[in-house]
Amino acid sequence: DVVMTQSPLSLPVTLGQPASISCRSSQSLVHSDGNTYLNWFQQRPGQSPRRLIYKVSNRDSGVPDRFSGSGSGTDFTLKISRVEAEDVGVYYCMQGTHWPPFTFGPGTKVDIK
Amino acid sequence: QVQLVQSGAEVKKPGASVKVSCKASGYTFTGYYMHWVRQAPGQGLEWMGWINPNSGGTNYAQKFQGRVTMTRDTSISTAYMELSRLRSDDTAVYYCAREGDSSSQLSFDLWGRGTLVTVSS
Repeated sequence: DVVMTQSPLSLPVTLGQPASISCRSSQSLVHSDGNTYLNWFQQRPGQSPRRLIYKVSNRDSGVPDRFSGSGSGTDFTLKISRVEAEDVGVYYCMQGTHWPPFTFGPGTKVDIK
Repeated sequence: QVQLVQSGAEVKKPGASVKVSCKASGYTFTGYYMHWVRQAPGQGLEWMGWINPNSGGTNYAQKFQGRVTMTRDTSISTAYMELSRLRSDDTAVYYCAREGDSSSQLSFDLWGRGTLVTVSS
């Protein structure tokens, strides 16, 4: 199984400041079709997960443009350009290239300093 | 409105089975794979498997093979996940999640609100 790791696991941030979360996979996430199926999800307190980013850098409809995804191979990053109060929650990366199983990272908890 | 509506919370005894439903609305139910993901209290997300609502075909995570059964009823646009021989560590919120279309496949673009299953004697 592909193991996903994230760092940091806890990220206290100041409102209006940038934030960055790293996600690494135990093997390359480049699929035989040429796509890289790395996704990012946000889970606000008490809510279901919500997809933010798919295929590394494609932002979902309705996701603020302060969220961006980047990376390749085994190293990926989610960046928030200016953190807002509504961004508090846990962020998960997930790979869909080598399934079964689909695997998630352990999550990064973002809160306000 | 595009949404997934899940059944209510369940309390089960160890060794019992639970069946969770997920009713889709606002889109063509048979056009998208449905996945199930669970989250133990205070823990991360764990993928359990998927069902193709069109064919009924399934694929389960090895961890749940033999204990999980995913089915669907296309007449009411509802997917089901049944987990048997429940143990205390099956206590979790169970989510159904729709796989995206061809432009965002192998990812989950729509999630239900979750169903809490508590296993306790």
